[in-house]
Amino acid sequence: EAGVAQSPRYKIIEKRQSVAFWCNPISGHATLYWYQQILGQGPKLLIQFQNNGVVDDSQLPKDRFSAERLKGVDSTLKIQPAKLEDSAVYLCASSTGVDQYFGAGTRLSVL
Amino acid sequence: DQQVKQNSPSLSVQEGRISILNCDYTNSMFDYFLWYKKYPAEGPTFLISISSIKDKNEDGRFTVFLNKSAKHLSLHIVPSQPGDSAVYFCAASAGGSEKLVFGKGTKLTVNP
Repeated sequence: EAGVAQSPRYKIIEKRQSVAFWCNPISGHATLYWYQQILGQGPKLLIQFQNNGVVDDSQLPKDRFSAERLKGVDSTLKIQPAKLEDSAVYLCASSTGVDQYFGAGTRLSVL
Repeated sequence: DQQVKQNSPSLSVQEGRISILNCDYTNSMFDYFLWYKKYPAEGPTFLISISSIKDKNEDGRFTVFLNKSAKHLSLHIVPSQPGDSAVYFCAASAGGSEKLVFGKGTKLTVNP
């Protein structure tokens, strides 16, 4: 069974630029999550989708972050414009229940 | 406001000995707890979980103990192996919610 796929693996941008991350969840998993993991911290949930609907985006900084899952499968997370404090690993996970399966993440560096 | 706390940033043990990783939580609504293991440059992988209706769950070398009155859980690895060297995250959820709250992680090093 293929795991959660994310791309790119690494991204370096300057502040005020925009960036987008892509995630393809495990086949059949209706729930998809985006997490932000800052160095030395645990993953923090940004947004949760159930199929193509948003379940929880309470911790998503909506002035600069957006996410979509239009067909209920792949998802993209966008940051526009990026700030220095957005430097982190962005993890995508999918699940059919509480146990979540994570991708390898995208490491973002904002200079 | 950290609802899930892993107060030891790192732990070092000898191969073959027991590793004990600790986790405390403050939210009494949490009723399901998970441990994830993370290698560098990889995403966290699910290791073991426990429901609040139990006080122990075992899977091979890994055992999780839950003390609800103390709001404390621990992960025991016996015997520890060098391949167990990783960062271990404790996570919790409440009321059947799929939303997980993670601790900051403990870096385990198992020395040969």
